[in-house]
Amino acid sequence: GAGVSQTPSNKVTEKGKYVELRCDPISGHTALYWYRQSLGQGPEFLIYFQGTGAADDSGLPNDRFFAVRPEGSVSTLKIQRTERGDSAVYLCASSPGGYVDTQYFGPGTRLTVL
Amino acid sequence: EDKVVQSPLSLVVHEGDTVTLNCSYEVTNFRSLLWYKQEKKAPTFLFMLTSSGIEKKSGRLSSILDKKELFSILNITATQTGDSAVYLCAVERRAGNNRKLIWGLGTSLAVNP
Repeated sequence: GAGVSQTPSNKVTEKGKYVELRCDPISGHTALYWYRQSLGQGPEFLIYFQGTGAADDSGLPNDRFFAVRPEGSVSTLKIQRTERGDSAVYLCASSPGGYVDTQYFGPGTRLTVL
Repeated sequence: EDKVVQSPLSLVVHEGDTVTLNCSYEVTNFRSLLWYKQEKKAPTFLFMLTSSGIEKKSGRLSSILDKKELFSILNITATQTGDSAVYLCAVERRAGNNRKLIWGLGTSLAVNP
């Protein structure tokens, strides 16, 4: 496909469970970003990969959140021991180069923690 | 081609001054304009603006959008040294299921004591 894809589109889980959210960036894009967006707010930065490495992970709210991009393409955002406050839309974006490049968003994963 | 232009690129002021940062854009299918503050690491979300003429305020910071003239300003009153940062403007465009965030290059603000 031509755009960024994310799976699943919706995820409902119970408090305390573990979830994985997947992002497939645009082919050839070296930079990948994870954001979290709550209703009425702008995207809140979580982590930024350049290739396989996390160039900046300081937006991750706590150590329950972790993301990987082992081959420099697909990325997985992992959330352990989910809490109700984790409920949000998790957005992935990719760009050809660095941070101020145009970022192309995926459709997001809506996570609901009951 | 979509673009977001911020001015000035850098600014040096003294504590207590008021500053106005500008963001102009040419983006089709505009959805929202976002302001972020970036210190050493991740940008921190400040405001999201979708409607013209409605000021958003948070403490000493305020912002307004003009969708006719295609710009936004970010005001900081009574600046403090802790306001020193890069202020980033981004415009979100949406076309169908596609969504893009186009970033400006930022304004680097230095507030001297």
